[in-house]
Amino acid sequence: DAKTTQPTSMDCAEGRAANLPCNHSTISGNEYVYWYRQIHSQGPQYIIHGLKNNETNEMASLIITEDRKSSTLILPHATLRDTAVYYCIATMNRDDKIIFGKGTRLHILP
Amino acid sequence: KAGVTQTPRYLIKTRGQQVTLSCSPISGHRSVSWYQQTPGQGLQFLFEYFSETQRNKGNFPGRFSGRQFSNSRSEMNVSTLELGDSALYLCASKQHMNTEAFFGQGTRLTVV
Repeated sequence: DAKTTQPTSMDCAEGRAANLPCNHSTISGNEYVYWYRQIHSQGPQYIIHGLKNNETNEMASLIITEDRKSSTLILPHATLRDTAVYYCIATMNRDDKIIFGKGTRLHILP
Repeated sequence: KAGVTQTPRYLIKTRGQQVTLSCSPISGHRSVSWYQQTPGQGLQFLFEYFSETQRNKGNFPGRFSGRQFSNSRSEMNVSTLELGDSALYLCASKQHMNTEAFFGQGTRLTVV
């Protein structure tokens, strides 16, 4: 799995869009970008994943650059309940294990 | 449908004892993985089972073991507990490759 780099922490005002960056400059062509989040003391929760194209679901949008070396997770209207650690993972996902990094601790400010 | 269920939610054990944790995956999911989460090391992969076979193992000592039953339910066992084994143990299930993992709420183990 490719190494990913994320900021340690970020703040976002409630109601604004939260944009969480992830660098994966060594990603290979068949590696997907997955995002999970973990709210304090709960199990991680899947958010979204993509390969090349931008993706959107009811939770978030995933923007992947054309060269696939970085991506951005967008929470369109952040609420206090979005306060969590967000993990970006680049994986071929062949063997069903997830290698988590340190993630980004997102603080939503009222 | 029901999510991933882990039992028990909380557990206190004494050094030297052994412990067994249980995970019931989402119905129809055949892959079950286990993770350990500590403040110092973060989320670390322990092992993964598919159709009763261990397919992957993380870098943990042999005191950590697991198994999967024919109904996909899984157990993990830690023998000769050490203080450093205190952690949140998480189980995740997947339907098949290239799909998302669904995590349980975890079992918080405290070793005293």
